[in-house]
Amino acid sequence: AQKVTQAQTEISVVEKEDVTLDCVYETRDTTYYLFWYKQPPSGELVFLIRRNSFDEQNEISGRYSWNFQKSTSSFNFTITASQVVDSAVYFCALPSGGSYIPTFGRGTSLIVHP
Amino acid sequence: DSGVTQTPKHLITATGQRVTLRCSPRSGDLSVYWYQQSLDQGLQFLIQYYNGEERAKGNILERFSAQQFPDLHSELNLSSLELGDSALYFCASSPRRGNEQFFGPGTRLTVL
Repeated sequence: AQKVTQAQTEISVVEKEDVTLDCVYETRDTTYYLFWYKQPPSGELVFLIRRNSFDEQNEISGRYSWNFQKSTSSFNFTITASQVVDSAVYFCALPSGGSYIPTFGRGTSLIVHP
Repeated sequence: DSGVTQTPKHLITATGQRVTLRCSPRSGDLSVYWYQQSLDQGLQFLIQYYNGEERAKGNILERFSAQQFPDLHSELNLSSLELGDSALYFCASSPRRGNEQFFGPGTRLTVL
């Protein structure tokens, strides 16, 4: 069965600090996707990134970067120079191989203080 | 704005009642997914429809049902409501399985 673990329940940082959100997953699928979503205080879930298990290259988008390591089953998310607007709950998700229905982690609440 | 719309935004009702939540997917997306988000259970998948047909079922109670109409909008029906059904209900859509899902703003249901 699919499993996604986000061990950090809440992280509190001061603006401009770098922060890394951890995501560890379990799957028996040989190929799979991984996703990150952001849920700001307004409540809507916002898609951030999709990563195919074939591609282990790190991805950078502005202040956001993702480190995918298949050997350790991790897909970590780093925010560089955090800003107050980054305050949100961040979810990592792993679709199952058959139905593609994602299993979500419990989320990490990031609080960025000014 | 994801392009997925949900109505109503908030809903307050009493135990034992029945409510209908509505979702319109992004233009062109054939798949619609329903999720329940509560503090104790996290984000739980309920059910998926693809082009009008049920494709996958998750932890959906028998008191809950859904359907997708020919115009691709979907409705989630919740009946015999209990206090524990209070939650945020999300609809999401995607063009194909395996693609990222785009979520609507959610409907916050409060059962008193």
